[in-house]
Amino acid sequence: GQNIDQPTEMTATEGAIVQINCTYQTSGFNGLFWYQQHAGEAPTFLSYNVLDGLEEKGRFSSFLSRSKGYSYLLLKELQMKDSASYLCAVRGSNYQLIWGAGTKLIIKP
Amino acid sequence: DTGVSQDPRHKITKRGQNVTFRCDPISEHNRLYWYRQTLGQGPEFLTYFQNEAQLEKSRLLSDRFSAERPKGSFSTLEIQRTEQGDSAMYLCASSLLEAGNTEAFFGQGTRLTVV
Repeated sequence: GQNIDQPTEMTATEGAIVQINCTYQTSGFNGLFWYQQHAGEAPTFLSYNVLDGLEEKGRFSSFLSRSKGYSYLLLKELQMKDSASYLCAVRGSNYQLIWGAGTKLIIKP
Repeated sequence: DTGVSQDPRHKITKRGQNVTFRCDPISEHNRLYWYRQTLGQGPEFLTYFQNEAQLEKSRLLSDRFSAERPKGSFSTLEIQRTEQGDSAMYLCASSLLEAGNTEAFFGQGTRLTVV
């Protein structure tokens, strides 16, 4: 079957760095996406990886290892507004998105 | 273009009633998705369209759910004989069908409460 695993919840301190992991098992792979979702709002796009390696975009970076079925989202210089759920999604063989349950990130002052 | 829009934003209905939601995708996007999301969970796939063709429907979707995209533009999702378990956020997303960084853009969702 198809499966995406992420930790349910993480806590970090304002100004620090946090890494959110995602492991996946899917039939086919056409890219991995990270989305941010604030409570009560729609998910918004953060990053996309299709080749192995690190993609950096400001304070956010995303890493992919296709052979390991593994990705992580790295958030630097954490701000209170980064408190949200972070969703990992894999685009499978039919280009449909398969979603993880999300990781709720709590930022403490 | 103002992005993906959904209507209504909130809907409260009595158990057993029918409800219909509308989604207007980004105009040039040929793929349209419907998802359901409950608290603390990621989006759960319901169905998707490529232009006007409904290509896949989740096995979790009962016969009470039906979706249409008659002209390949807006889409409607209807739930018949609603049950309390249908209470959730219903999200619509659209994207282009092509390889590469073609992320899905989400609407603000319709929050359904069945009482």
